[in-house]
Amino acid sequence: AQSVTQPDIHITVSEGASLELRCNYSYGATPYLFWYVQSPGQGLQLLLKYFSGDTLVQGIKGFEAEFKRSQSSFNLRKPSVHWSDAAEYFCAGMNSGGYQKVTFGTGTKLQVIP
Amino acid sequence: EPEVTQTPSHQVTQMGQEVILRCVPISNHLYFYWYRQILGQKVEFLVSFYNNEISEKSEIFDDQFSVERPDGSNFTLKIRSTKLEDSAMYFCASSEAPKGSEEQYFGPGTRLTVT
Repeated sequence: AQSVTQPDIHITVSEGASLELRCNYSYGATPYLFWYVQSPGQGLQLLLKYFSGDTLVQGIKGFEAEFKRSQSSFNLRKPSVHWSDAAEYFCAGMNSGGYQKVTFGTGTKLQVIP
Repeated sequence: EPEVTQTPSHQVTQMGQEVILRCVPISNHLYFYWYRQILGQKVEFLVSFYNNEISEKSEIFDDQFSVERPDGSNFTLKIRSTKLEDSAMYFCASSEAPKGSEEQYFGPGTRLTVT
């Protein structure tokens, strides 16, 4: 079955420090991959997406993610975290060969401390 | 920039009552979806809809749920007889096409509280 796993439920980083949020996927073929951010009580905002091609994708708000087929991973990174980045981050996948059902990971809650 | 809209933003209802959640997808999109997120849990797929029929549904989407596109702009999710466990945030999404590099655009969600 298709799945997306985020092994870290909660991460705390200091403002200005670098960030990496982990995501692993399990699909029969290379899926489309996404990262979404959700602030408390808010909807889902797309940060970035990977469909094919360059394995390093750039997104909004200074985020980037790297697709690694050998590790079945799609980790999200940011070189310097701002307090406003505190939110919950969801990795998600979609089968590239069939109907578009997005499968979400369980999310990683990011706390930013001064 | 076009966006998906949802109404109401928050709905409170009593157990056993019917609720209808409304969504207006992006105007040129043809594929529509509902997802839900129970508080503290991940977002789960409910149903996809194209050409006035359900394309795929999850095991969550039982006979208590139905979807409809009553006119050219709205897309609705009806829960016939709400249960406490239906309390969740419900997200509508739309996409231009089901295949290829077409992402889904999510609305801001409707928080449903069943008392």
